[in-house]
Amino acid sequence: VLTQSPATLSASPGETVTLSCRSDLHLGSDLAWYQQKPGQAPRLVIHSAATRATGVPTRFSGSGSGTDFSLTITSLQSDDFAIYYCQQYKKWPPITFGQGTRLEIK
Amino acid sequence: QVQLQESGPGLVKPSDTLSLTCSVSGGSLSGFYWSWVRQSPVKGLEWIGFVHSKGRTNYNPSLRSRLILSVDSSKNEISLRLSSVTAADTAVYFCARPTVLTIFGVIEKYFIDVWGRGTLVTVSS
Repeated sequence: VLTQSPATLSASPGETVTLSCRSDLHLGSDLAWYQQKPGQAPRLVIHSAATRATGVPTRFSGSGSGTDFSLTITSLQSDDFAIYYCQQYKKWPPITFGQGTRLEIK
Repeated sequence: QVQLQESGPGLVKPSDTLSLTCSVSGGSLSGFYWSWVRQSPVKGLEWIGFVHSKGRTNYNPSLRSRLILSVDSSKNEISLRLSSVTAADTAVYFCARPTVLTIFGVIEKYFIDVWGRGTLVTVSS
């Protein structure tokens, strides 16, 4: 089970935020992060816990290993407000996703 | 740039079989894994399973008894068939192409970097 916190995070453009994903199993670094905007498919942001996907701005960074992971976004831009999901691929099937953190504009 | 497009009926009756197709353009099916993910307000994002171009499959245990994923290389399409549907199967269904790293045939990494736009399927009489 992947537990994301907080469920909703309010922040202003320019701020730095950190989203959390906690697993009840040790995942090593087998965790990905996705960004989803309304009406769109998820977009891969981070894989292998800390590797940015192609084309993802450097203000996105992932960290953590084992059971505790974080996604940090620095200098928030308006385009970053979305729902973020973590996904594990260590213990499967099934591949599982967290329930998401909604990042909203304060 | 590979693009994925889901198609199928938007409305399915309870107990019927849901059939969806994913058309792949801008690339070949060959050598890749292809996946389905669905999303509903109740369950969030739910991994359905994958099928490799050579036919290897792996399904979500919760759906395994009702699910068939297949590829048609001649049409460059992937198909999903889910039988005996209920209202709980109502969701947006995404076709996807994960990046998969295997070592000696064992999948070590699996994350999704190519997604279709999704298609809404409602199960209702």
